[in-house]
Amino acid sequence: KAGVTQTPRYLIKTRGQQVTLSCSPISGHRSVSWYQQTPGQGLQFLFEYFSETQRNKGNFPGRFSGRQFSNSRSEMNVSTLELGDSALYLCASSLLGSTQETQYFGPGTRLLVL
Amino acid sequence: GENVEQHPSTLSVQEGDSAVIKCTYSDSASNYFPWYKQELGKRPQLIIDIRSNVGEKKDQRIAVTLNKTAKHFSLHITETQPEDSAVYFCAASPADKLIFGTGTRLQVFP
Repeated sequence: KAGVTQTPRYLIKTRGQQVTLSCSPISGHRSVSWYQQTPGQGLQFLFEYFSETQRNKGNFPGRFSGRQFSNSRSEMNVSTLELGDSALYLCASSLLGSTQETQYFGPGTRLLVL
Repeated sequence: GENVEQHPSTLSVQEGDSAVIKCTYSDSASNYFPWYKQELGKRPQLIIDIRSNVGEKKDQRIAVTLNKTAKHFSLHITETQPEDSAVYFCAASPADKLIFGTGTRLQVFP
């Protein structure tokens, strides 16, 4: 089985722009979670989607949004980018999104905001 | 709110020594505690996990212990090897999401 994939792998944007990141889960997995990883902050939970519905959301401003398609692929969008949004954005998939299931991570998208 | 504290933030050991990383969590509803290893430039990968009905779990050189009363859990790596060098993240799962610790950078010197 192919693993979780994310595109693009690297992005450079300037402040005020918006960005869309994509995540394709493992085939058959219906849950996709997104995390922001920054040095010293670890992995911070952004949101989780299951069957095209957002089930959970972390403590991030409304500039961060996402969606999930019928094939379980997910996108996240960040509008009005700020310097502090520079980070590695990881998505993870699991079969049903049960919190006792293993989450499989993608390679991440490294976003640099100038 | 939900919080997971992880210590130490960095850990250096000699090859063959043991390494211990400790985490505490705040939400007593947490019932699943995975540990992830992230090598430089790579994605986090699950190395071991423990559920709240178990106090200890071992997989070769890696073991995890859980104390639900004290709300803390630990990762133990014995006979460390240079390839164990990575950042290790603990996580706790209250009802609806995974909360990660801030990571421990483990360096194993040959």
